Amino acid sequence: DTAVSQTPKYLVTQMGNDKSIKCEQNLGHDTMYWYKQDSKKFLKIMFSYNNKELIINETVPNRFSPKSPDKAHLNLHINSLELGDSAVYFCASSPNRVPNEKLFFGSGTQLSVL
Amino acid sequence: AQSVTQLGSHVSVSEGALVLLRCNYSSSVPPYLFWYVQYPNQGLQLLLKYTSAATLVKGINGFEAEFKKSETSFHLTKPSAHMSDAAEYFCAVSAYNQGGKLIFGQGTELSVKP
Repeated sequence: DTAVSQTPKYLVTQMGNDKSIKCEQNLGHDTMYWYKQDSKKFLKIMFSYNNKELIINETVPNRFSPKSPDKAHLNLHINSLELGDSAVYFCASSPNRVPNEKLFFGSGTQLSVL
Repeated sequence: AQSVTQLGSHVSVSEGALVLLRCNYSSSVPPYLFWYVQYPNQGLQLLLKYTSAATLVKGINGFEAEFKKSETSFHLTKPSAHMSDAAEYFCAVSAYNQGGKLIFGQGTELSVKP
């Protein structure tokens, strides 16, 4: 049983399209995150939700909209995709917002915008 | 605010040699420090973390790191490299005033030569 699972693993799409990435965790954690890893492997936090409530929004363009229907799911919807959105997107979870907690990462979604 | 700098984007060692990956941090409050490893096409896994207990922290796969406040460093070491250690390594910092946000360094790619 995968602890943090993301779908799809690969996503290839045209500029201007709208796409979604889904994430589910079966660990019973309260907090979930989206991170973006660029082509130079740099990882940056995008969003964090705690019990379905948005707690971190790192000046991400409003074309990106996270949605958390329940605390086990955090989806990422991207409107009007641009070339610069090409990256690997990682979902992660942790038991709570405590800063010394370990993060559990999904295996990533590689998004390619053509 | 917190930040992390990893010295050297790429480190190459011979199998059996010492592994040393450097990390320096900046934090205005007591930090929590982490090392994560990313194998190709996978998500990140926690190697070890420092949370203000012992300054020498032992992790999985024979890795350890020492927190040195005077040097603001948290370097990762392993006495003897294995081929299976080849991966991307990320140092990261968080703090109690960051709402659970983890800030990553740029990553260091470790290559192990036979």
